[in-house]
Amino acid sequence: NAGVTQTPKFQVLKTGQSMTLQCAQDMNHEYMSWYRQDPGMGLRLIHYSVGAGITDQGEVPNGYNVSRSTTEDFPLRLLSAAPSQTSVYFCASRPQGGGTEAFFGQGTRLTVV
Amino acid sequence: LAKTTQPISMDSYEGQEVNITCSHNNIATNDYITWYQQFPSQGPRFIIQGYKTKVTNEVASLFIPADRKSSTLSLPRVSLSDTAVYYCLVGPSAGRRALTFGSGTRLQVQP
Repeated sequence: NAGVTQTPKFQVLKTGQSMTLQCAQDMNHEYMSWYRQDPGMGLRLIHYSVGAGITDQGEVPNGYNVSRSTTEDFPLRLLSAAPSQTSVYFCASRPQGGGTEAFFGQGTRLTVV
Repeated sequence: LAKTTQPISMDSYEGQEVNITCSHNNIATNDYITWYQQFPSQGPRFIIQGYKTKVTNEVASLFIPADRKSSTLSLPRVSLSDTAVYYCLVGPSAGRRALTFGSGTRLQVQP
């Protein structure tokens, strides 16, 4: 199993550009989440999903969209990139009945100039 | 969701035991206590989870008093490779919620 795979690992965007951060998991987990982590800070929840077709907002959802058309994939879309969105983005998944053990991807380091 | 409070940073030396305490006064009856470890440039990694009393695995021990308003992560005989940020989370094991992270405790292990 590959676990949670995030692509790309690094990305530089210009202000105003849009892009999609990809996240895929092969563990058949129902729950998936997106976090952002600014330098020296903890993780902040952007959006999450408890199953295909169901998404909800986290602490910092503005400027981001998500969809969950399959169990495996949970892409994060930046609508119009801003320098304030420069951060490291982590995707995580966990099974519905599996306690609070989540599995994280390696992260996408995004710089908006 | 229950709010957690933990020290911002801690320093230790190799071979020492490190105890990181987390306060969670508003923990709910069905909440579990979970600890994660994060190395630089990596995603967090699950360490240990518990509900009450004591839980031990190959990495750490988790001590939870009877009132469950706090918990202590114990790392025996730390090494330089234990330098990381440690997060305490409180939340239900099931249900339609995502896990939320606080600022964590930055542990620096010196030689």
